[in-house]
Amino acid sequence: QLVLTQSPSASASLGASVKLTCTLSSGHSTYAIAWHQQQPGKGPRYLMRVNNDGSHSKGDGIPDRFSGSSSGAERYLTISSLQSEDEAAYYCQTWGTGVQVFGGGTRLTVL
Amino acid sequence: EVQLVESGGGLVQPGGSLRLSCAASGFSFSNYWMSWVRQAPGKGLEWVAHIKQDGIEKYHMTGRFTISRDNAKNSLYLQMNSLGVEDTGVYYCARDPGGFDLWGQGTLVTVSS
Repeated sequence: QLVLTQSPSASASLGASVKLTCTLSSGHSTYAIAWHQQQPGKGPRYLMRVNNDGSHSKGDGIPDRFSGSSSGAERYLTISSLQSEDEAAYYCQTWGTGVQVFGGGTRLTVL
Repeated sequence: EVQLVESGGGLVQPGGSLRLSCAASGFSFSNYWMSWVRQAPGKGLEWVAHIKQDGIEKYHMTGRFTISRDNAKNSLYLQMNSLGVEDTGVYYCARDPGGFDLWGQGTLVTVSS
């Protein structure tokens, strides 16, 4: 079964960097994923797609502070130079034949 | 401007029906898979349904919902029947080229007596 696992919460200081992790279920380690940001009270916003080889393609207007990478079944979202507006929920998403799957989301607090 | 705009949400009684619409503009709607995603209050994102460019191949999380599209009108639809309180939430349409790369602002569906 295709499942994505995320830690429920993370925190980092203003100006620092943070790396969020999304883990693909067994047997699905080659899947690409997408990262989405949801700021409080707003709809989701597409950040990027991260492929199995670590390459990533960002959405329009996404700052260079946001980057993606990959290792085995794990897909990462790294945010550098954290700003207050980065405080949000971050969801990973993947897809298979006839199904789309979201991780439970990581709520990022900027201290 | 490239955008998706949902409409059709509102208050409906348990057991009732509702049809959501999503108007696409600024891109070639007929070239993309499209999806509906929902979010219950205080919860995460949940995929609801998606539909291929031709409108024939489609998948749903439940048989109570039916996704459809009209490429001539650049529009996506979600027919929801036998609604329960658990269906309450914000419903988003999303462009789906492999990863949802464009989202609408959402429309609120409230199922309550």
